[in-house]
Amino acid sequence: DSGVTQTPKHLITATGQRVTLRCSPRSGDLSVYWYQQSLDQGLQFLIQYYNGEERAKGNILERFSAQQFPDLHSELNLSSLELGDSALYFCASSVYDRVNTGELFFGEGSRLTVL
Amino acid sequence: LAKTTQPISMDSYEGQEVNITCSHNNIATNDYITWYQQFPSQGPRFIIQGYKTKVTNEVASLFIPADRKSSTLSLPRVSLSDTAVYFCLVGDRAGGSYIPTFGRGTSLIVHP
Repeated sequence: DSGVTQTPKHLITATGQRVTLRCSPRSGDLSVYWYQQSLDQGLQFLIQYYNGEERAKGNILERFSAQQFPDLHSELNLSSLELGDSALYFCASSVYDRVNTGELFFGEGSRLTVL
Repeated sequence: LAKTTQPISMDSYEGQEVNITCSHNNIATNDYITWYQQFPSQGPRFIIQGYKTKVTNEVASLFIPADRKSSTLSLPRVSLSDTAVYFCLVGDRAGGSYIPTFGRGTSLIVHP
């Protein structure tokens, strides 16, 4: 158990819909990272927050948005869903602002299926 | 931009030593190299991290040459439960931000 909690574990929805994925980081960790993993794209970095502020942005679509709340949990919002958005979405946390000085702790992921 | 390259897949047998090499030609001076293990439908799990030379823990060893353009994860005496995907992680930089970037990973299959 990494200490990172993601909900929901599974989600099935239709194209055009909007969903929200939630992540609670390990106790004491200030950084939250979101990754998307699909079969053909590998583990793609989406976005990072540190203590409530956006710190780094990867290949995140404009239809996707995220935020980190004062209690440090984070939400990833996916809207106007397309079939290609079906993937595993992982949240990871770290106590550090820059992960190159420490490890990432990953949650078990949220599997999104868009029909 | 930093980029990692790993073999797509490897096969081994129980009890053998497995070495997985990751190429990271553009690694930044202050970047560490971190390896993760991932089982199907689970999140990646930290294995080992190093900056230079050799690092060893109870699970694996990490060898980093002086030029740091590559690293080799060594798994001693693998078992069936070591069948997983192994990723190396170095940093990437875009617009001044540090982006933790995973490679495509190496799928290791351990045979009886």
